[in-house]
Amino acid sequence: DAGITQSPRHKVTETGTPVTLRCHQTENHRYMYWYRQDPGHGLRLIHYSYGVKDTDKGEVSDGYSVSRSKTEDFLLTLESATSSQTSVYFCAISASVGRGKGFSHEQYFGPGTRLTVT
Amino acid sequence: SQQGEEDPQALSIQEGENATMNCSYKTSINNLQWYRQNSGRGLVHLILIRSNEREKHSGRLRVTLDTSKKSSSLLITASRAADTASYFCATDNAGNMLTFGGGTRLMVKP
Repeated sequence: DAGITQSPRHKVTETGTPVTLRCHQTENHRYMYWYRQDPGHGLRLIHYSYGVKDTDKGEVSDGYSVSRSKTEDFLLTLESATSSQTSVYFCAISASVGRGKGFSHEQYFGPGTRLTVT
Repeated sequence: SQQGEEDPQALSIQEGENATMNCSYKTSINNLQWYRQNSGRGLVHLILIRSNEREKHSGRLRVTLDTSKKSSSLLITASRAADTASYFCATDNAGNMLTFGGGTRLMVKP
């Protein structure tokens, strides 16, 4: 999984509680991403980071916040968990390949965190 | 909203047969990428094809891209049981973000 770990791997929590998921990379990549994966929706981007303390919203950011105080760590917080946030959460980093017009990004994913909100 | 849409949603074949998956997208792209996801695991990058390329090969994988039709196909030749997984296309609009489709679930029967 390209030096990317996620913790916890599984979590069950109750509605209304805050939850923080951690993504840790050992590759020193600038870009990091949080996705959620749900049946019928593929992967949807929640938030991403383009550097320490630099973050931006993705497609489904409502109810989530992120923080990146160090290059290697990207935290996703569910401020008040709801049942609709039951999902599998994936962290990814982006590796640059090529040069000039051939420049592109490939993403490498962590193993995922299965979150159940009861 | 999803940029890429895979077709079919599910595919079941016998070992040794070829598997073809298609992806359609809506806006112009810098490149298109294919990923594989084994059950319970994260996505793994398979192959990238740039917008100025029409075909690319990697081992038993063959990817085509038709930018006029905004579509791509992934062909896996001589499939194996180990190819059983979900396959996703993802489009790169040169904004450091990928947009993923809903995926094709491939089952290869031994």
